[in-house]
Amino acid sequence: EIVMTQSPATLSVSPGERATLSCRASQSVSSNLAWYQQKPGQAPRLLIYGASARATGIPARFSGGGSGADFTLTISSLQSEDFAVYYCQQYNNWPPTFGQGTKLEI
Amino acid sequence: EVQLVESGGGLVQPGGSLRLSCAVSEFTVSNSYISWVRQAPGKGLEWVSTIYSGGSTYYADSVKGRFTISRDNSKNTLYLQMHSLRVEDTAVYYCARTIFTGSYYFDYWGQGTLVTVSS
Repeated sequence: EIVMTQSPATLSVSPGERATLSCRASQSVSSNLAWYQQKPGQAPRLLIYGASARATGIPARFSGGGSGADFTLTISSLQSEDFAVYYCQQYNNWPPTFGQGTKLEI
Repeated sequence: EVQLVESGGGLVQPGGSLRLSCAVSEFTVSNSYISWVRQAPGKGLEWVSTIYSGGSTYYADSVKGRFTISRDNSKNTLYLQMHSLRVEDTAVYYCARTIFTGSYYFDYWGQGTLVTVSS
C-alpha cells in the first residue's frame, strides 16, 4: 500500500500569517489527493480533493497544489478557526491511505 | 443538509462483539458508496470498510474476516458488525459518504462513536 508522509509534524504559526503543509506519497498518486481538517473532538472535514479543488463551502484562503508524489496545502492568512490537525489522503490506489497528520498550532 | 449519525459504540471485552449503526439523511444508502473509517486514540485515520451502491463490500486486511459492513435500505442505515474484537480495535469509528474514483475519498462524515476493547 502507498505510504503518505506529512511534514512537519507540528507547525507553529501566528494568526494572519501564511502556512504551508507538505505531504509526500511513497509512489505517484497522480492528482488523486485529498486534504482534511480535524478539530479536537470533531470529525474530519474535507477541504481539498483532486489535489487542488476546494470542497463545498471551503474558504478561498485554503489552496492545494502538487501532483505525482509531492503535495502542499497552503492557508494564505490564518484565522483562529484554522488551528487544527490536517491530514492528506491518497485515493489513486486501493486501499486509500492517510498521512499521520500535521498539527497547526498558534 | 447531508447528515450521518453513528451509534452503538461502547466498552467490550477482547473477543467480544459489537454492532455499530450509521443513520443517514439527505441521501440514500442504496444509491451511495459509504465507508467506515476509524481513529485510535491520539492517532491518525485508518480506512476500515466500504459498501458500494451495488452491494459489493471491501475491507482492510486488519479487519477482514472479523467485521461485516451492511445496510438496511428501508431504514437508510449503515451497519458495521464487529466480531473477535481486539485491544487494537479501540478507536472512534466514523461513517463517511464516499466518492468512488477507483479508490475512495470521503466528503461527509458523522461525528463518530467510540469503541473501547478492554478487559
